[in-house]
Amino acid sequence: DQQVKQNSPSLSVQEGRISILNCDYTNSMFDYFLWYKKYPAEGPTFLISISSIKDKNEDGRFTVFLNKSAKHLSLHIVPSQPGDSAVYFCAARIQGAQKLVFGQGTRLTINP
Amino acid sequence: KAGVTQTPRYLIKTRGQQVTLSCSPISGHRSVSWYQQTPGQGLQFLFEYFSETQRNKGNFPGRFSGRQFSNSRSEMNVSTLELGDSALYLCASSLVGEVGGYTFGSGTRLTVV
Repeated sequence: DQQVKQNSPSLSVQEGRISILNCDYTNSMFDYFLWYKKYPAEGPTFLISISSIKDKNEDGRFTVFLNKSAKHLSLHIVPSQPGDSAVYFCAARIQGAQKLVFGQGTRLTINP
Repeated sequence: KAGVTQTPRYLIKTRGQQVTLSCSPISGHRSVSWYQQTPGQGLQFLFEYFSETQRNKGNFPGRFSGRQFSNSRSEMNVSTLELGDSALYLCASSLVGEVGGYTFGSGTRLTVV
């Protein structure tokens, strides 16, 4: 079963606008949610995380929102830059375990 | 500081063979995890080692195994390779309990022919 889902395989956004990437989850035993960015031929790079007891975390151009009642989280990138073009993975950590469950990823393309 | 180092970067093997992949974590990181990335399944958790002990295991067959050495370096082994084992294998190291501290290596691209 897919406990973490990213329903949009791809997203195209104009440079300077906001990029919104979405993620849904089903397991209530996740204690942290994370976003990773991945370029081809490289490993994922950590972007930002949020605790399950929070509803927002911000780091520069990146903000993650968590809606626990809807079991939904989103990553906002403002403003979007060409270097943001990559595959973005949503991940959730199982409480008490060093184990991440990943979504399938969303390919973000920033158009000039 | 040096990142997570995975060797080799690329590997081509024949069905039925076995393969060993290596991962050197960031100095001081004692937790090492392995993930498999395939186009259809995304990143899937294989196992996690800490202090030479496997603490967590994903839903993979017994052909997938691993170990960790006293210096925290880790290896994973896949025996009796199948075509479906073709994937990017990623290793991540972290400080215990640190969230967001999962640092991934660049991976080993395994192709089974």
